[in-house]
Amino acid sequence: EAGVAQSPRYKIIEKRQSVAFWCNPISGHATLYWYQQILGQGPKLLIQFQNNGVVDDSQLPKDRFSAERLKGVDSTLKIQPAKLEDSAVYLCASSVLGGLFTGELFFGEGSRLTVL
Amino acid sequence: SQQGEEDPQALSIQEGENATMNCSYKTSINNLQWYRQNSGRGLVHLILIRSNEREKHSGRLRVTLDTSKKSSSLLITASRAADTASYFCATDAKVDMRFGAGTRLTVKP
Repeated sequence: EAGVAQSPRYKIIEKRQSVAFWCNPISGHATLYWYQQILGQGPKLLIQFQNNGVVDDSQLPKDRFSAERLKGVDSTLKIQPAKLEDSAVYLCASSVLGGLFTGELFFGEGSRLTVL
Repeated sequence: SQQGEEDPQALSIQEGENATMNCSYKTSINNLQWYRQNSGRGLVHLILIRSNEREKHSGRLRVTLDTSKKSSSLLITASRAADTASYFCATDAKVDMRFGAGTRLTVKP
């Protein structure tokens, strides 16, 4: 079974530029998550999708971050304009379950963003 | 905001020793999960314990859950150098999964 695919693995940009990350979850997984992990910290949930609807985006900085999940499958996370503090690894995860009971999350390898 | 808090932040042991990590959380949960992360990699699921369970085993892993104290522990027995990684607990607060800051485990050969 193919795992969660993410791209690009690494991205270096200047502050105020824009960047987009792509995620392809495991086939059949209804729930998709984007996490931000700053060096030395735990993953922080940015947004959770159930199929193509947003379940939770309370911690997404909506003035600069946006995310969509096309047709309930692939997802894109965009940052525009980027700030220095956005330097982090952006992790995508998917799970079969969602809603009131969350099962095992399967993570991609992450996209490491460096903002100069 | 983070839901789980791991303790200690860092742990260094010799190969063959046992490693115990603790997790405390704030709100009621449906289940608690432990994940492992090798440096520069994504997280890998280790074990899930439901709120009505008190203890669970998987190979060299033993997880306990005390919902009255809102805490969990992960025990790794007979540790190996390959167990060196960061370990995170995650809880499903309402409908989403929140992670703690993690315990960095170093196992010296």
